[in-house]
Amino acid sequence: SQTIHQWPATLVQPVGSPLSLECTVEGTSNPNLYWYRQAAGRGLQLLFYSVGIGQISSEVPQNLSASRPQDRQFILSSKKLLLSDSGFYLCAWTRGADTQYFGPGTRLTVL
Amino acid sequence: GQQLNQSPQSMFIQEGEDVSMNCTSSSIFNTWLWYKQDPGEGPVLLIALYKAGELTSNGRLTAQFGITRKDSFLNISASIPSDVGIYFCAGRNSGGSNYKLTFGKGTLLTVNP
Repeated sequence: SQTIHQWPATLVQPVGSPLSLECTVEGTSNPNLYWYRQAAGRGLQLLFYSVGIGQISSEVPQNLSASRPQDRQFILSSKKLLLSDSGFYLCAWTRGADTQYFGPGTRLTVL
Repeated sequence: GQQLNQSPQSMFIQEGEDVSMNCTSSSIFNTWLWYKQDPGEGPVLLIALYKAGELTSNGRLTAQFGITRKDSFLNISASIPSDVGIYFCAGRNSGGSNYKLTFGKGTLLTVNP
């Protein structure tokens, strides 16, 4: 069966520090991968998605970036965090147009 | 862009009551999904709907894919305290990029024992 992992689970970072969040999927190949952010207001905001290695589509202009160095690995990064980057970051995967499954999430607090 | 209107935004009910929530879209979807999110965790898929008019159950949960393909409903019967959480609808449209879902803003459900 397929599983999706995210780490770290929680992170507290100072403003201006770099960020690296990692997501990996097991038990499948060539998945579509997604990064979402969920603010306190509950809605899910799609940040990036990827349909293959090295292929990244950005949905919202911001100081975040994403990379996909391996088939089942998706990384969310920032060179300098802002206070507004705080939130709950969720990774998700699909096989093509199939149902989307979410990871456990990373809680990021920027102070 | 596409929008999903999910209602109600929140519900406060007594244990044992039935719950109903819905989502409406400005455009046609070919897939409707319902998720539940517990505090501090990722959303978990409850029910997936792939055909207009489809009615699918998962235990005490029942969801329907509206015949117009622009809406979907989720019902929870005989609610229990562990039903507490945020329920999201999501849809995938039939044209353009098929890789992305459009999400509703969620319904926060509170169940009083």
